[in-house]
Amino acid sequence: GAVVSQHPSRVICKSGTSVKIECRSLDFQATTMFWYRQFPKKSLMLMATSNEGSKATYEQGVEKDKFLINHASLTLSTLTVTSAHPEDSSFYICSARAGFGADTQYFGPGTRLTVL
Amino acid sequence: AQSVSQHNHHVILSEAASLELGCNYSYGGTVNLFWYVQYPGQHLQLLLKYFSGDPLVKGIKGFEAEFIKSKFSFNLRKPSVQWSDTAEYFCAVNALGNTGFQKLVFGTGTRLLVSP
Repeated sequence: GAVVSQHPSRVICKSGTSVKIECRSLDFQATTMFWYRQFPKKSLMLMATSNEGSKATYEQGVEKDKFLINHASLTLSTLTVTSAHPEDSSFYICSARAGFGADTQYFGPGTRLTVL
Repeated sequence: AQSVSQHNHHVILSEAASLELGCNYSYGGTVNLFWYVQYPGQHLQLLLKYFSGDPLVKGIKGFEAEFIKSKFSFNLRKPSVQWSDTAEYFCAVNALGNTGFQKLVFGTGTRLLVSP
């Protein structure tokens, strides 16, 4: 149980285009989903937290107009990288949590974004 | 701000050797602590977690970790590693973020290579 999927697993796009990444909890309802960014040889950095039905809460330094997050249902959250630039190239990982507080987060397999 | 330090960035061991990976955190409040593992090409998986109670926590695949509050540490151990333990290991603390939500703060990870 507690499986989280992400789609696509890999995407290459041209500079200036927008890219949407989906995160789904397959066998549980996720009250909260998280989006992380992982740089090479570095740790995961939390970008934003989204609760179903409400606006995402972004970490300091993350542009909310650039990284649009939608959490329209208890099993789906999307991250849209708008007007992508090469510096947005990274590994984006989502996670989902069934309850509030200290409940465990379950991670998706990640999406490798390359912006040319 | 909360932070997590993993002192060993790369560890190389032979099979059957004992493993201890260090993790120290900086956070003054109540903490929940986690170790996640990322096998090559796979997503993050939970190894074990500490919320409360017995500070010696046993996880999957023979791993255990000990929470020492006075030392702000949560070191990961395994008495005898196997080749299949080759992976990257991340320590994380669940703490209250500046957005008012609980969030996971990750260490930079330790890459373990076990030679057969």
